[in-house]
Parts: sequence; C-alpha cells; structure tokens
Amino acid sequence: EVQLVESGGGLVQPGGSLRLSCAASGFTFSSYSMNWVRQAPGKGLEWVSYISSSSSTIYYADSVKGRFTISRDNAKNSLYLQMNSLRAEDTAVYYCASGVAGTYYFDYWGQGTLVTVSS
Amino acid sequence: EIVLTQSPATLSLSPGERATLSCRASQSVSSYLAWYQQKPGQAPRLLIYDASNRATGIPARFSGSGSGTDFTLTISSLEPEDFAVYYCQQRSNWPPKYTFGQGTKLEIK
Repeated sequence: EVQLVESGGGLVQPGGSLRLSCAASGFTFSSYSMNWVRQAPGKGLEWVSYISSSSSTIYYADSVKGRFTISRDNAKNSLYLQMNSLRAEDTAVYYCASGVAGTYYFDYWGQGTLVTVSS
Repeated sequence: EIVLTQSPATLSLSPGERATLSCRASQSVSSYLAWYQQKPGQAPRLLIYDASNRATGIPARFSGSGSGTDFTLTISSLEPEDFAVYYCQQRSNWPPKYTFGQGTKLEIK
C-alpha cells in the first residue's frame, strides 16, 4: 500500500523557518517525481514545488521562489521542504504528492501537515 | 501562464442524478488534464488523467472528456459519497508550473 506521511508542521512567527518532511513507503520512491501542494484554510489547491526522481530538476511557484527549498533523500525514501522567511500567506495545509516520472499529474497524496504563520 | 476556470462554482444535485462539471483552459493543454476529488478534511484523490483515463480504483460512473481548452467531468449517477469538491489540473511546459482550477463544490440538493 502506498503511503505518504507528512510531518514538521506547526505554529511559527512571521519571518521564521520550518522544515517539512514526507516519508514514503509502498512504492519505488526513487523512480517517482515528488511535489509539495498547499491549501490555505477554506481555499483551493496551490502547487508549491516539484523535484524529479534524481533531484536533477527542481521547480518552484513564484510565490515561494527564493524562500523555499525542496530536496529528497532516495536512500531514506524521504522528501523535504525547507521554508524560510515565512509569511502569514504561507499558512496552509501542506501535502506531499507523488507523480510517475514524465507525467504531470499527482497520483498519490499524503494526509497533509498544517503550517500556521502568526505572531 | 495557463489559467483553468471551472464552472459552476457550486452544483446542487440529488443522489441518482447526473453531474456535469466543466473546466476551461485559457490556451490549449492538448489532453494533459487531470481531475481530483477532495472531501472535507481529506487529501485530494486522483480521478482522471489525460482528460479521459480513470485512475486506479475509480468507479466507472466517473468519466472525463475533452481536449484543447474545454473539458468535462461527468458523474453518471450520483452516490452519496460523491458529494465533494472537484478540481481540474494541468502543467505548462514554460514556465514550468502546475495549475489547479478554483474548484467546483458538488453539494446535496
């Protein structure tokens, strides 16, 4: 069974940092591209970042470019999102989502972790 | 930048009825369009990819159609568990970006 389990969310002050993790199991993690997608309270889905299976290709949404860094460790079946200079508008549930290499859609999603940016 | 516009914003129907949800792209995305279902408090679930292919385990009452700029998700006969929010999604090659529509809430009438 495919499982994606996010962790690391919580309450952080504006300007602060947080590191999210996503632990993967039940599939060959190293063969899949991975993404972070977020959802602000009561709002729709917003793609945040993409990393290819080998980490050779990385993309970011304009809203987080220069502040967030995506990475992965295929030996540990884990995905990460380092979030710096956090703003109130970054408050959201953050989901990790997998994608078959070469495709554009997200076939499996984690349950999400809530990040709240507030003083 | 490609923008996806979903309509209607809210659709009120009864179990057993047919649901038709629309997603329009601001420029052609060929058939590279996916649909997701999200229930309250849950993660999204992939329903349809490449406009018309059902994902693993998705019931046959869900179908997708369209190409270019106009796409449709059809639920042939609504079950109680189908009432949820539905999103369409695509990826643009340049700038590399993934985009979701704003969602259609399917509610019980």
